[in-house]
Amino acid sequence: AQSVAQPEDQVNVAEGNPLTVKCTYSVSGNPYLFWYVQYPNRGLQFLLKYITGDNLVKGSYGFEAEFNKSQTSFHLKKPSALVSDSALYFCAVRDVNSGNTPLVFGKGTRLSVIA
Amino acid sequence: DTEVTQTPKHLVMGMTNKKSLKCEQHMGHRAMYWYKQKAKKPPELMFVYSYEKLSINESVPSRFSPECPNSSLLNLHLHALQPEDSALYLCASSQVGGDMNTEAFFGQGTRLTVV
Repeated sequence: AQSVAQPEDQVNVAEGNPLTVKCTYSVSGNPYLFWYVQYPNRGLQFLLKYITGDNLVKGSYGFEAEFNKSQTSFHLKKPSALVSDSALYFCAVRDVNSGNTPLVFGKGTRLSVIA
Repeated sequence: DTEVTQTPKHLVMGMTNKKSLKCEQHMGHRAMYWYKQKAKKPPELMFVYSYEKLSINESVPSRFSPECPNSSLLNLHLHALQPEDSALYLCASSQVGGDMNTEAFFGQGTRLTVV
């Protein structure tokens, strides 16, 4: 079975400061990992994904994420937060060996960037 | 075109009404999904269609009836809903088959209120 944990319900950060949103995963094989962002009353927007290769993945809007196999983590980062980054962030995983199964989402982390 | 279009954006219906939610994509994706999302929670998978055939039904009550008339369209027929069915209903699509690392693309959702 595959699962995702986002240990923080809420992350607060001052504008201009670096931000980190944490994600850990559990799969039996190798993971495909994804980050999505959701603004109020909107659908989920894809930010970035890790498939293979470089552990540091760069995505939309200046976000990046680092895959750490030994710690089974895929934390989302941004060097300098903007107020407009305030939203709900979801980490998701798919097990490479699980066949064509849908993504499994974490519970979400609400990011609040304060001016 | 990387859009998934959902209509209507908002829907208010009585418990005896019959209504339908519609979803359309023109990315050539052969997997389409319905998710239900309650406030501040992750999306919950309801149904998956693969090559226009229902491949996953996550034990959803029969008052929700999905339909995939062709490879671009996905409908969700609603009948005799309960107030607790009020939620944001999200449609998504993705490639299927060999390209397992693909992300899912989400529509903006239909905000459903059952009165």
